Amino acid sequence: DGGITQSPKYLFRKEGQNVTLSCEQNLNHDAMYWYRQDPGQGLRLIYYSQIVNDFQKGDIAEGYSVSREKKESFPLTVTSAQKNPTAFYLCASSMQKTGKAEAFFGQGTRLTVV
Amino acid sequence: AQKITQTQPGMFVQEKEAVTLDCTYDTSDPSYGLFWYKQPSSGEMIFLIYQGSYDQQNATEGRYSLNFQKARKSANLVISASQLGDSAMYFCAMREGQGSQGNLIFGKGTKLSVKP
Repeated sequence: DGGITQSPKYLFRKEGQNVTLSCEQNLNHDAMYWYRQDPGQGLRLIYYSQIVNDFQKGDIAEGYSVSREKKESFPLTVTSAQKNPTAFYLCASSMQKTGKAEAFFGQGTRLTVV
Repeated sequence: AQKITQTQPGMFVQEKEAVTLDCTYDTSDPSYGLFWYKQPSSGEMIFLIYQGSYDQQNATEGRYSLNFQKARKSANLVISASQLGDSAMYFCAMREGQGSQGNLIFGKGTKLSVKP
């Protein structure tokens, strides 16, 4: 079945550590996105990529980094520079960046700093 | 300024009744799309319905319909015949056609609780 797979589902990080969240899609979508969700908040855009080897910062990119070496993969690294990383992270992809193309989402990764 | 506003943090509805979830938006772009997503407690985001700014008719998908009032910049979601499984967070989102590179902008959501 086609879809988006995020792993792990739960992730615990010690302060000062970098961690990488995985996002893989087999939908042949060009665009991929990372969102952060905090309680009582909507989704906020961290990074997005329209094409392989290219990505742009979203609204809250500080303390995060991404790569897009393959069309199917868009991993997100939460660095030690991110001061409040505890949140729910959602990866999404879409066929086009305009028009009716809805974004398909993964199941999310819940990151907790311990 | 917020581009998507959902003014109802929480809503209750009796099973089998209809409910309207409010969404207003702000854009100067003549070309845009409006989306509604459902987020159950499991966390995944489920696409429900889409309305384009140039669409002449209100969108419908099964029990979901979108009450699109362009002049008022509102795109309310109507769920008919509510079911217990409709209990979830609901998010309104917008994609602008030009200028912002077409990313989805989300509101803060409405938590819907369906009572038996």
